Amino acid sequence: EPEVTQTPSHQVTQMGQEVILRCVPISNHLYFYWYRQILGQKVEFLVSFYNNEISEKSEIFDDQFSVERPDGSNFTLKIRSTKLEDSAMYFCASGPEFNTEAFFGQGTRLTVV
Amino acid sequence: AQSVTQPDIHITVSEGASLELRCNYSYGATPYLFWYVQSPGQGLQLLLKYFSGDTLVQGIKGFEAEFKRSQSSFNLRKPSVHWSDAAEYFCAVGARGSSNTGKLIFGQGTTLQVKP
Repeated sequence: EPEVTQTPSHQVTQMGQEVILRCVPISNHLYFYWYRQILGQKVEFLVSFYNNEISEKSEIFDDQFSVERPDGSNFTLKIRSTKLEDSAMYFCASGPEFNTEAFFGQGTRLTVV
Repeated sequence: AQSVTQPDIHITVSEGASLELRCNYSYGATPYLFWYVQSPGQGLQLLLKYFSGDTLVQGIKGFEAEFKRSQSSFNLRKPSVHWSDAAEYFCAVGARGSSNTGKLIFGQGTTLQVKP
């Protein structure tokens, strides 16, 4: 069964460093998303992406964050200068059509030290 | 603003007992409604969804949920819980129409513990 794949599963980085979280969405999907879950808190929407542009972004998704679909298969989330409060589980998701469910990856646990 | 409330943070049931997890939402119209499950160290797996039509929807693993418009609720049920159902359960809503960008709003989650 097709699935969303995220790498790495765990990333430790020093405060101020740049990180890139990678995702391979399900191949025929057109809608891509990033969510995050700070430990013990709810899953929060970061950004949705369709047709090579951002459809919607949350207040969390400030200028430190960017997304890219560099090669038609990968979907990346870049955090330019990480802060301690960026430590969280980051989930990538994809969906096949407008108005349908999202399929989530296993997540990348980002720890900023 | 859209919001989702899961009133029960933690529920413990005995194996074989029935289960109901509550979900209430706040939204201007009927949203798309979802239940996801997250096992420890795993991602989010879709259990079931409601878009339209029959208000009682069946999902995977023997789960069902009922949409009640009058109560703005979408409670998840299972007649007989198995030990493997121990996990965290999330209710989520999505917007309809032109404002739909696929964004989901999640509830706080309910942790289910199953006693032998």
